[in-house]
Amino acid sequence: EVQLVQSGAEVKKPGESLKISCKGSGYSFSSYWIVWVRQMPGKGLEWMGIIYPGDPDPRYSPSFQGQVTISADRSISTAYLQWSSLKASDTAIYFCARVAAANWYFDLWGRGTLVTVSS
Amino acid sequence: EIVMTQSPATLSVSPGERVTLSCRASQSVSRTLAWYQQRPGQAPRLLIYGASTRATGVPARFIGSGSGTEFTLTISSLQSEDFAVYYCQQYSNWPPGTFGQGTKLEIK
Repeated sequence: EVQLVQSGAEVKKPGESLKISCKGSGYSFSSYWIVWVRQMPGKGLEWMGIIYPGDPDPRYSPSFQGQVTISADRSISTAYLQWSSLKASDTAIYFCARVAAANWYFDLWGRGTLVTVSS
Repeated sequence: EIVMTQSPATLSVSPGERVTLSCRASQSVSRTLAWYQQRPGQAPRLLIYGASTRATGVPARFIGSGSGTEFTLTISSLQSEDFAVYYCQQYSNWPPGTFGQGTKLEIK
């Protein structure tokens, strides 16, 4: 089955670090871009950044540049999203999605990881 | 950056009705427009790409149209599972993932 499996929900305190994951299976993970999308409580979808598993340089939306780090390990078909110092405003669901080949829409989505940041 | 504007924000409709959702781009995106459906508690799901091409497994009652700056998604006969939030997304210009703010379909 073609799927993206995301890591489980996290509860963190402000200032803590966090790394969440997105593992692809059933397709050639190295051949597709992966995007991370944020959805704050009750809000819409925001594109955060993208990475090509074979390329060490992710690209970030200006709104998220410097706020998060995106990486990937193609040897285990996994992409990551990490924070060095969480804020309460990072509380959201984070989705990873596969970018369709040769186009920039998102054709396969993970189920999302809920990140709650609270003191 | 291209801004995507969806209208209305909320639409109250009855099962079986035909409904049309609108999406407008701040500048032309040709036909590089996708639609997604997000049911409560679920991840978004690709419905339409290329403005009018249905993704695999999407029922024929979902019809996308438009080009340039004006796009619509029509659901020809609403089923109970169609009550959800719908997002449009342009993928013409960088950044490629500009979404509209969404239209919520609720049961009247």
